[in-house]
Amino acid sequence: GNSVTQMEGPVTLSEEAFLTINCTYTATGYPSLFWYVQYPGEGLQLLLKATKADDKGSNKGFEATYRKETTSFHLEKGSVQVSDSAVYFCALSSSGYSTLTFGKGTMLLVSP
Amino acid sequence: GAGVSQSPRYKVAKRGQDVALRCDPISGHVSLFWYQQALGQGPEFLTYFQNEAQLDKSGLPSDRFFAERPEGSVSTLKIQRTQQEDSAVYLCASNNRVLGRNTGELFFGEGSRLTVL
Repeated sequence: GNSVTQMEGPVTLSEEAFLTINCTYTATGYPSLFWYVQYPGEGLQLLLKATKADDKGSNKGFEATYRKETTSFHLEKGSVQVSDSAVYFCALSSSGYSTLTFGKGTMLLVSP
Repeated sequence: GAGVSQSPRYKVAKRGQDVALRCDPISGHVSLFWYQQALGQGPEFLTYFQNEAQLDKSGLPSDRFFAERPEGSVSTLKIQRTQQEDSAVYLCASNNRVLGRNTGELFFGEGSRLTVL
């Protein structure tokens, strides 16, 4: 079956530091990959996605590259801000279906 | 509405009570999903509707869980004879794609937090 593994948090960084949150997956076929973010008191929202191997998703300064050879989709940002503090979820969906399989989430805390 | 709306936001139930959680998806969205998110975990799929048809209920944990979407818009998740292990946040999500052409970009509500005492 499908599964997603992401690094445990919390990840604590100072403002302007470099961020990496690791995500690896197991899936049949050719899944689409996603990062969702949950800000405090808000619902999950899509941050970025990639639908095929070597695609790079990007949004709000965040990037992730779909690596089929390593079954990974690591999230990166060059310079984090306090407003990036949130819980980040890596997820996948199998071809043609939108039932998402989520990782456990990684909390990011950014201090001034 | 502008987004997916869920009610109640918080529900406390005594063990054995029945509860009903409501989801109002974005207007016109064909697909509607329910997820369960336990504390410290990622959301887990419960069930999927395409319009009024429940096409997948493989994630419902027991026959105490029941979902409906009779007119293809508002959906209700009902939990009968609640147990402590049902305590979780129940998330509703929707999009305007149909099964087979769905890419997984979902719009989520803020969730209904259920606490069973």
